[in-house]
Amino acid sequence: AAGVIQSPRHLIKEKRETATLKCYPIPRHDTVYWYQQGPGQDPQFLISFYEKMQSDKGSIPDRFSAQQFSDYHSELNMSSLELGDSALYFCASSRASSYNEQFFGPGTRLTVL
Amino acid sequence: AQSVAQPEDQVNVAEGNPLTVKCTYSVSGNPYLFWYVQYPNRGLQFLLKYITGDNLVKGSYGFEAEFNKSQTSFHLKKPSALVSDSALYFCAVSENAGNMLTFGGGTRLMVKP
Repeated sequence: AAGVIQSPRHLIKEKRETATLKCYPIPRHDTVYWYQQGPGQDPQFLISFYEKMQSDKGSIPDRFSAQQFSDYHSELNMSSLELGDSALYFCASSRASSYNEQFFGPGTRLTVL
Repeated sequence: AQSVAQPEDQVNVAEGNPLTVKCTYSVSGNPYLFWYVQYPNRGLQFLLKYITGDNLVKGSYGFEAEFNKSQTSFHLKKPSALVSDSALYFCAVSENAGNMLTFGGGTRLMVKP
């Protein structure tokens, strides 16, 4: 079965650089979620999109932005990177009719040096 | 606001013995409850969910969870633990379909031979 695809799987950036993470949801899934998991922490919700519109917003810094495109893939753009942004970033997708059963991608590990 | 508590950072159990990983939640409406498992450097894998209906929910890999509304709990259980069950387990809650998931802090399950 198709799963959520995230790219890149690993990313190393310097402070103050920018990064773009990509997420390709499971086919026919209409909702995408982004989560950030710091070392030894639980995943924290950042932002979500339903049918290409932002549907919910969590603890996402102003330096970050995201969007969902017409093919339902989503991108998380991160600017002015800080050391504290180093984390595992997960994308999840679901169908609105599935009672919020979210399927997670393998994550992108971002390291900021 | 929604929240989840996993009171145990780690649970140790011998292989073949039953296991329980505890979870309590708080939501203002009807809860959608989930359990996910995370192996090292991997994404979150869905185990099971409670939306409505029977309080005992059966999921993947022989896991089950019992929803208790009066105690606002959703403990994860398995009758006979395997060494391969050793991983990090997260309980999560959302208030409505399509909403973000709020995760508990995670419980590390260690199953010893």
